[in-house]
Amino acid sequence: GAVVSQHPSRVICKSGTSVKIECRSLDFQATTMFWYRQFPKQSLMLMATSNEGSKATYEQGVEKDKFLINHASLTLSTLTVTSAHPEDSSFYICSASDNLNTEAFFGQGTRLTVV
Amino acid sequence: QKEVEQNSGPLSVPEGAIASLNCTYSDRGSQSFFWYRQYSGKSPELIMSIYSNGDKEDGRFTAQLNKASQYVSLLIRDSQPSDSATYLCAVSPNDYKLSFGAGTTVTVRA
Repeated sequence: GAVVSQHPSRVICKSGTSVKIECRSLDFQATTMFWYRQFPKQSLMLMATSNEGSKATYEQGVEKDKFLINHASLTLSTLTVTSAHPEDSSFYICSASDNLNTEAFFGQGTRLTVV
Repeated sequence: QKEVEQNSGPLSVPEGAIASLNCTYSDRGSQSFFWYRQYSGKSPELIMSIYSNGDKEDGRFTAQLNKASQYVSLLIRDSQPSDSATYLCAVSPNDYKLSFGAGTTVTVRA
C-alpha cells in the first residue's frame, strides 16, 4: 500500500503554545487529506477534510481557528493546534487519498500531550 | 443514532477459535465498507474492504456485507494471540471520508 508519513509521533507542549503536525504522502499525490482525533478508548472522529489548494472543511463542533489546516501541496498537509490546552491532548491521525483508489492511507499518528 | 455501531465487546476467544465481529450503519447511501485493526497506541491498519453484497475472504479473515440489512461483519478464523487488538468498522459513501464505529476489543487467549 501507499506510504503516509506523519511527524512527530509524539509531542509534549506547554499549555498556551502551538504545535504543528505534518502529514506527507511519500509515493503518491494526495488530492485529499483527512485529519482525525482519537481520545483514549474512543473511536476516530473526523476533524476536517482538506483538498490541495483549497480551504479545509471542518466537521461540526471543530473550531477552525484553533485547528489550522494547510494543504498547500499534493504531498503535504499540516495541522496546527493553536493555544493548546490539556483537553487537546489526544492521538491525532491523518489519512490521505489520491481520489483514484477506494482506500485512504493512514499516517502513524501523533500523540499530543499538553501540560 | 450513531452512524456506525459495533458490538461493544470486549470479546475474548480461545486461540484457534473463530472471532465474530458485527457492525451496522445508518446511511443507506454508503458504498464502501472497511475493517481496520488497531493496536494500542498505533494507527489503524486496513484488514479488509468490501463493496458488494456477499462474502469476501482473505486468508483467515472473511467480511460479509448485507446492504439491505445495513450490516457488515468480520470473521477471524483460527484466531491467534497476535490478533488481539481493537477492530474498527468504517463506512464511506465513496468520498473517502470514513465514519468509524467505536471499535470492538478482541482478546485471544493462548
